[in-house]
Amino acid sequence: LAKTTQPISMDSYEGQEVNITCSHNNIATNDYITWYQQFPSQGPRFIIQGYKTKVTNEVASLFIPADRKSSTLSLPRVSLSDTAVYYCLVDSNYQLIWGAGTKLIIKP
Amino acid sequence: EPEVTQTPSHQVTQMGQEVILRCVPISNHLYFYWYRQILGQKVEFLVSFYNNEISEKSEIFDDQFSVERPDGSNFTLKIRSTKLEDSAMYFCASRAAGGYTFGSGTRLTVV
Repeated sequence: LAKTTQPISMDSYEGQEVNITCSHNNIATNDYITWYQQFPSQGPRFIIQGYKTKVTNEVASLFIPADRKSSTLSLPRVSLSDTAVYYCLVDSNYQLIWGAGTKLIIKP
Repeated sequence: EPEVTQTPSHQVTQMGQEVILRCVPISNHLYFYWYRQILGQKVEFLVSFYNNEISEKSEIFDDQFSVERPDGSNFTLKIRSTKLEDSAMYFCASRAAGGYTFGSGTRLTVV
């Protein structure tokens, strides 16, 4: 089962673009990369999922290089309400493997 | 937007008692899951359920735990004899193509 590694915490400021990088060196061929957001005492909320190259939706972009051993979540123009824990996950064999996540703090 | 609903939001129980945590997954989803998160720690997989049977379970999911989909809409997690270390947030999730949808969780406190 593929394990992920991401920074424990990051700080940024309102209006900035935030990039959170995650490594998943032993990702398998059939695995997808998925990012979730979690606020305190709430369930994780799906942000974006991808397999390779670039995926964009209304809230984020996900960049995955050709070797798929890492991925970068990009949050454009963050606001204070984006302060949360962000989890990079490998969707492996219908089971999500959770790391510790990145605690993102957005400052005014 | 469809939601996964969990009840109760908070349950306090005495050690040794049985608890049942309830979930209503999204109606057209086929895969169902329970995860737990001890305060301040990472989310841990407990069990996955498909086609009315357990498809995978973790080491945490021992004989004290069971899951059931009794009526085609509810998905329950039962803990037969709770221990102090079972205190955690329990999240139900359901899945179709694409990502998972998680409920808002049940905070279980064992005293």
